[in-house]
Formats: sequence, C-alpha cells, structure tokens
Amino acid sequence: DTGVSQDPRHKITKRGQNVTFRCDPISEHNRLYWYRQTLGQGPEFLTYFQNEAQLEKSRLLSDRFSAERPKGSFSTLEIQRTEQGDSAMYLCASSLDRGRTDTQYFGPGTRLTVL
Amino acid sequence: LAKTTQPISMDSYEGQEVNITCSHNNIATNDYITWYQQFPSQGPRFIIQGYKTKVTNEVASLFIPADRKSSTLSLPRVSLSDTAVYYCLVGSPLFYNQGGKLIFGQGTELSVKP
Repeated sequence: DTGVSQDPRHKITKRGQNVTFRCDPISEHNRLYWYRQTLGQGPEFLTYFQNEAQLEKSRLLSDRFSAERPKGSFSTLEIQRTEQGDSAMYLCASSLDRGRTDTQYFGPGTRLTVL
Repeated sequence: LAKTTQPISMDSYEGQEVNITCSHNNIATNDYITWYQQFPSQGPRFIIQGYKTKVTNEVASLFIPADRKSSTLSLPRVSLSDTAVYYCLVGSPLFYNQGGKLIFGQGTELSVKP
C-alpha cells in the first residue's frame, strides 16, 4: 500500500496527558497537511509543511500543539496537556506540488478520545 | 477562499444517477473546484477536480457552467457503497509559501437505499 498512513488509528488518553501521532506521506510528496475533524463537521486545517518547513499554522493550533517534519519525510503531531475538547479525528494529507493544482490524499486518521 | 453551499443531505436509490450541486458565487478566476468523498471513520478521498466545462473520470463527472458560480457532481448508477458525505471545495492554485489548505464545509450526506 503506497497511500498515506497514520499511527495509531485510535488513542484513548486521560486529560492532562501528552500524545503524539505519526503520519507517513506518500513517497516523494513534498507537502504534508494536518487537519482535525469533529463529529458532523468537515475537516479543519491545522498546519502545513512544504518539505521540512512549516509554512502555515491555523489559529486552532494552540501552544499545546506542535508539529514537526524532520527531513521532509514523516511528520509528528504532539498535543501536550490534552483537554477533553481535543477529542477528534486527526487527519493527515500529502500532496505533490505540480505548480497549478494540488490534489491532497488523506490518510485514515487517528481518532483521539480524551477522558 | 470562496465559500461553498451544498445541500446537507440527499436520498437516492440504487441504480439511479445522483447529481449534487454546489454553489460558489464568489469563485475567483484562478480557483479550481474539487470534490471529495468521505466514509465514516475514514479520511476524505479525492473524487474529481475541474476548472471549467466538463470533466469525467472513472468515478464521476463534474459539470461547470460558463459563469463557474456553481458546479454539479454527477454519480452514475449509484450503489449502496456510494453512501457517504461529499464535499465541494473551491481554492486557488497552490504557489510556494501561499499554503494549500482545503476549506471544508459540512458536505452533503448522500444516502443510497436499496
């Protein structure tokens, strides 16, 4: 399977704990995105990488959230001191910059439940 | 980024053609129109993308009138497995440093019945 993969698929944690999610993009895709989706809503943009550079961060990404993409390959999203409001599906997408259009391919997501 | 409006839900029966229309009155000259499909507990899946007139692939067709203020996703002969949420998105081409975030609305929940 050469699609976007995410790990873990499910995570249950207690409020106040730290969690880290991993995303492996499609090989050679230079762009990587993180989105968050709550029940009944469409995905909301969190942050975006071009290679290893983090180029944009949403206001949704509070100081407790940090994302990295070392060496422009896989990416991690860490949430510190989790809150119940962080419970959501966290989606990763990747794309290849073709200069005019950019089709994003999504992974299966990591469902986070904060108790 | 242009805002989109689409029906919240639609019902259909197996074997029928389904057309989902999306309004995007303030679409910009450089904007493309993209449709995604999402099943429960899965990430969105790219269906089709177009700029004007008609685009067709093995899954769907996308019709865009000359004024580009709306677009219609056409799914031929739907089956039960086409039950999903369909999102219409409008956005400009992605230039370096301008970001490429997709802005999703609530989407259209399509229910296909036997």
